[in-house]
Amino acid sequence: ILNVEQSPQSLHVQEGDSTNFTCSFPSSNFYALHWYRWETAKSPEALFVMTLNGDEKKKGRISATLNTKEGYSYLYIKGSQPEDSATYLCACSGNTGKLIFGQGTTLQVKP
Amino acid sequence: GAGVSQSPSNKVTEKGKDVELRCDPISGHTALYWYRQSLGQGLEFLIYFQGNSAPDKSGLPSDRFSAERTGGSVSTLTIQRTQQEDSAVYLCASSLGTQAGNEKLFFGSGTQLSVL
Repeated sequence: ILNVEQSPQSLHVQEGDSTNFTCSFPSSNFYALHWYRWETAKSPEALFVMTLNGDEKKKGRISATLNTKEGYSYLYIKGSQPEDSATYLCACSGNTGKLIFGQGTTLQVKP
Repeated sequence: GAGVSQSPSNKVTEKGKDVELRCDPISGHTALYWYRQSLGQGLEFLIYFQGNSAPDKSGLPSDRFSAERTGGSVSTLTIQRTQQEDSAVYLCASSLGTQAGNEKLFFGSGTQLSVL
């Protein structure tokens, strides 16, 4: 896994809006896809780890999907709240365990 | 310990000096990663240790950077003859390591390195 791309780079939404971000990765030699949330002045925290094509994971108002054949994952946030403001990172690994991160999507939720 | 511990939390050094950054992973975690985040950039992979296997050093930006992991636990990242472009937050993370790449990472709070 050499190149992980995330879009958009940043996003500003109003409280209550739903939003989604994209993570693209090379589909060859894919092993696992990770999503992390990184809040200011804190350490990144894991949201999801997915491996199977068609996988869907959910944690409260946040969910993620995975398409390994076309090489993308979506992260969805339903009814955004100010506490969702953070940088969301995705990362991919091949079967060696080496984990490569994208540049992140920075979300700002305005009250 | 309860989590991944990194020290120091902040390090200011003069250009040309050597620095050592320390990471103490969660007990029992066999996989350990070093990343850095330069200003305005994403998380850049530096090096990955997995058990007793040879580390993946493919992300180290130059031969001034080296890392070791003693006894399969504590890791030290050493930067020799620091340059201003080495200024960044250096993050360490660990995972169980039983299923390479398929386990969530636990991150330390990072070392903010400033090279003057």
